[in-house]
Amino acid sequence: GNSVTQMEGPVTLSEEAFLTINCTYTATGYPSLFWYVQYPGEGLQLLLKATKADDKGSNKGFEATYRKETTSFHLEKGSVQVSDSAVYFCALGRTGGFKTIFGAGTRLFVKA
Amino acid sequence: DAGVTQSPTHLIKTRGQQVTLRCSPKSGHDTVSWYQQALGQGPQFIFQYYEEEERQRGNFPDRFSGHQFPNYSSELNVNALLLGDSALYLCASSLGTLGEPLHFGNGTRLTVT
Repeated sequence: GNSVTQMEGPVTLSEEAFLTINCTYTATGYPSLFWYVQYPGEGLQLLLKATKADDKGSNKGFEATYRKETTSFHLEKGSVQVSDSAVYFCALGRTGGFKTIFGAGTRLFVKA
Repeated sequence: DAGVTQSPTHLIKTRGQQVTLRCSPKSGHDTVSWYQQALGQGPQFIFQYYEEEERQRGNFPDRFSGHQFPNYSSELNVNALLLGDSALYLCASSLGTLGEPLHFGNGTRLTVT
């Protein structure tokens, strides 16, 4: 069935370090891909999205490229800040129904 | 522009009781989805409402039911609560037939004792 696998956390980085959070998916057809972020005590917020192969989503310095050949959508940021500390979820949409399927989340801690 | 609002924010119930959670979608949105998020896990899809009808359901028992009103707001009802129902319940709204991307509320934290 359709699913999302993302790297386990927590990921701990120093401020200004480079961030990669890996995400791979299994899906039939041509899914849409998302990264959502959840700050403590809050719901999820859409961070970026891509709707077709080779699309690059970007927002707030974060980027991810839809790679159909490797079924991946890895999240990257060149220089993280303490304020980026949160839980990041990779998600899959348009999988034949209306639901969005989420990965288990990766917690990021950024130290000053 | 009002975002998604959920009430209450926290709730404590006893096993066997029933609970109703409420959600108002983001202004202009017509689709509401409900998700259950256990501690340390990703959100799990419960169901989605569009035009006052449940149009897709996840792998949840019939104890979980919902409703969408003409103003697009929605309720989630859970009967015969179990300890395992303790979780953060998230409401998300979206626009139109695709139902994505999702705009989430801050959730209702349900604790069943």
